[in-house]
Parts: sequence; structure tokens; C-alpha cells
Amino acid sequence: NAGVTQTPKFRVLKTGQSMTLLCAQDMNHEYMYWYRQDPGMGLRLIHYSVGEGTTAKGEVPDGYNVSRLKKQNFLLGLESAAPSQTSVYFCASRASGRYEQYFGPGTRLTVT
Amino acid sequence: AQKITQTQPGMFVQEKEAVTLDCTYDTSDQSYGLFWYKQPSSGEMIFLIYQGSYDEQNATEGRYSLNFQKARKSANLVISASQLGDSAMYFCAMRPMKTSYDKVIFGPGTSLSVIP
Repeated sequence: NAGVTQTPKFRVLKTGQSMTLLCAQDMNHEYMYWYRQDPGMGLRLIHYSVGEGTTAKGEVPDGYNVSRLKKQNFLLGLESAAPSQTSVYFCASRASGRYEQYFGPGTRLTVT
Repeated sequence: AQKITQTQPGMFVQEKEAVTLDCTYDTSDQSYGLFWYKQPSSGEMIFLIYQGSYDEQNATEGRYSLNFQKARKSANLVISASQLGDSAMYFCAMRPMKTSYDKVIFGPGTSLSVIP
């Protein structure tokens, strides 16, 4: 039981490049989330999903897209990376009927 | 506005002693949940404990307990018998139950260092 895993762990992009971050969970959780963590800002919700095939915007969705084609996977895409997207990205999931979220190990992204 | 305040940017505690990490929250909602998460230097966020606003008993999970004082809007985390592995950032968070989206508000965190 791996819990929540994220790929890759580190990435450096140049401004304007695109990339996709992959999140996978093996707990059969309905809900999945993408956050970014910046110094002094805490965690902020980018997008989330309440089930397979659904996505919704969170607090800071601009510049990001997501897809949830399979229940266990939640992808975060950056179409044209900007230096302001330099951050640590966390994926999380939770079970229906529960409120605690379980987090992945994070992806450290640097955009130069 | 809904907000979490953690006034202690950094705390030190002697190994085997108890420590309290402060958290106050601001909400006009009657129904909400409160959480504490731990983030060690390795970076992952680890769920520690949850308290619902209507729960009458304070939540406990092993060495962690949540001192919930609803009237004061505080949800302090108490760690008993501190261990070196408790050194980490600790985040308090709140989930209002009636929101336009599935929203959890995180505080800025408190850095705890356990001294041998």
C-alpha cells in the first residue's frame, strides 16, 4: 500500500515549457487535490476532483489544468510555465465521508 | 474572512517534555473541521489529528491531543513526551463544511525543534 505517490520528485523548466505532474493513489479515494506550497503562503488549493471524470477550480487555478481520467490518477498540467509557478506541488486524496487528506511526497518545480 | 493563525513561528522543547502548539481560527460557520498536519524536513505532509466542531470530546491520537476551545476559537495541539522525531513544521488547518468548493484553509505553520 504505497498511499499517494507523485512523479517526478524534482523538475527544472524554462519559461514557456510545458509539463505534466502525475499523482497516483491506491486507497480507492474519491477525492483528489493539487496544492502548491510557497514560503510564507502556506498551502493553497489549485484544483480538485470529487470523482473520476470530474474536476473543479480551487483558490489559485490560473495557469494550470487538470484531468482525472481514472479514479486513481490525477494529473496537473502546466501549458506554458512561468517563474511564478516555481513552488513545491503536493497532491492529496481523501475518502468519501472522511475529512482528513493524505498527501504525496511533493514535487519541487523550478521555472527559470 | 476565514483564517488560521499560528502565532509561534518557532518552538523548542526538551526531549520527553510536553509541548503545546497554538492555533486560533476565524470563521462564522457553525459546522467545520479542524486538523493538524506534520511536515518533517523530508517534505511530506502527515495527517495527525482531526476535531469536528460538534465533537464534545477533545480528539486524541496516541501522543497527540487537540485542545479544542470552541468559544475561544482555538484548537491547540498538545504533544506529550516529545521525541527527536517530532522535530518538524506543524500546520493547523480548518475545513468549513458549507463552502462553494472543497476548501481547507492552512495556517502558516510552527517549526518545532526537540532538544536532546
